[in-house]
Amino acid sequence: NAGVTQTPKFQVLKTGQSMTLQCAQDMNHEYMSWYRQDPGMGLRLIHYSVGAGITDQGEVPNGYNVSRSTTEDFPLRLLSAAPSQTSVYFCASRRMFGSSYNEQFFGPGTRLTVL
Amino acid sequence: SQQGEEDPQALSIQEGENATMNCSYKTSINNLQWYRQNSGRGLVHLILIRSNEREKHSGRLRVTLDTSKKSSSLLITASRAADTASYFCATANAGGTSYGKLTFGQGTILTVHP
Repeated sequence: NAGVTQTPKFQVLKTGQSMTLQCAQDMNHEYMSWYRQDPGMGLRLIHYSVGAGITDQGEVPNGYNVSRSTTEDFPLRLLSAAPSQTSVYFCASRRMFGSSYNEQFFGPGTRLTVL
Repeated sequence: SQQGEEDPQALSIQEGENATMNCSYKTSINNLQWYRQNSGRGLVHLILIRSNEREKHSGRLRVTLDTSKKSSSLLITASRAADTASYFCATANAGGTSYGKLTFGQGTILTVHP
């Protein structure tokens, strides 16, 4: 199993540009989520999904869109990039049910810089 | 807002010593988890303790949970240089439609000197 994969690893954008961060998992996990990590702030939840076709907002959703058309994929879209979105983005997934359903598996991250 | 507050923010020890990190939280939880993050990498799950448990062990890790004080501690015994990483606590809120969403603390940076 590849686990949780993210592309790209690094990205530089100009203010106002749009892009999509890709995330995929091959563990058949129902729950997928996106976090951003900023220095001294820990990880903050952007959006999450509990299954295909179901998404909801997390703690810091403004400026980001998500969709979940398949169990495997959960892309994160930046509509109009701003310098405040410079961060490291992590995708994570986990099972929704079962004894270990809360253990989250994280991707390697995407380091995004917005100029 | 952050649910977990971790203490200390940074910890520097010698190989072989024990490392203790603390986490405090604000609301009722279903469980509390600890993750490790090596520099430039994603987070890796270490251990989970449920709200009805008081102590849990996994190898050199020992986690305690005091729900009356809303606090947890992670003890790493006989530390190794390879334990150098950031450690995060994360709480899964109880009840409602939270779906067990995790809220992370700010992390403790542990440096183990050979």
